[in-house]
Amino acid sequence: DTEVTQTPKHLVMGMTNKKSLKCEQHMGHRAMYWYKQKAKKPPELMFVYSYEKLSINESVPSRFSPECPNSSLLNLHLHALQPEDSALYLCASSQGDRRNTEAFFGQGTRLTVV
Amino acid sequence: DAKTTQPNSMESNEEEPVHLPCNHSTISGTDYIHWYRQLPSQGPEYVIHGLTSNVNNRMASLAIAEDRKSSTLILHRATLRDAAVYYCILGSSNTGKLIFGQGTTLQVKP
Repeated sequence: DTEVTQTPKHLVMGMTNKKSLKCEQHMGHRAMYWYKQKAKKPPELMFVYSYEKLSINESVPSRFSPECPNSSLLNLHLHALQPEDSALYLCASSQGDRRNTEAFFGQGTRLTVV
Repeated sequence: DAKTTQPNSMESNEEEPVHLPCNHSTISGTDYIHWYRQLPSQGPEYVIHGLTSNVNNRMASLAIAEDRKSSTLILHRATLRDAAVYYCILGSSNTGKLIFGQGTTLQVKP
C-alpha cells in the first residue's frame, strides 16, 4: 500500500465553524507534512511532523492546528478561518530518515471558506 | 531555505526527449535535488531525486551539474500523459523540508 489517503475530498465551511482534515498512511513512514496550495501556485509547506512530534511550523496562523495522534495519522484542525484560506490542502509522508527519500502525496482536500 | 528557479513553461512534441532545467545556486551540501510532477486536480507525484551523481529510473533521468548549482530532468520520450507541472525541489536532509519552486508547465503536442 503506497497511498496517502485524505478525507474529506471537498469541504465547505463557514468562518465560525470548526472542522478537521484527516490524513492516513500505512507505509510505516515517520515524517508527515501539511501543504497549502492556491490555484496555479506551488504547494507551500505548513507543518512537518517527525516521529510524531512537530518539527517545523512555517509561521502558520494559530487558526490552523496540526495533530499527529499516532504514526499513521495526521490531522489539521481548522477554526475561525478566513475566505483567503480557501485552497487545496495536501498531506504527504516520507520515511523521514536522512536519506531524504521520496514523499508520497495525497489527492488533497479542497477547502472553501464562506 | 535555498530556492530553485525554473522556466514557467516549455513545449515538446510527442515521442521526443524533453530537458527541463532547474537552477539552485544557493544549494547547501546536505540538500537533495527532487523532481515531482503534478497533473490537474491531483497531488504531486514523485519523479526522481539525487544528491551528487546522475540518476536514472523508469520515469526519467536526472543530470546534476558538477558544482550542484543546476540540474536537468530528462524525459526520454515524452507522451501526452507527461503533460503536467514539473517541480524542482530542494530537500533538506537536516530539517526534512521539501520546498517547492514555481514549477514548469510542460505541454506535449501530438
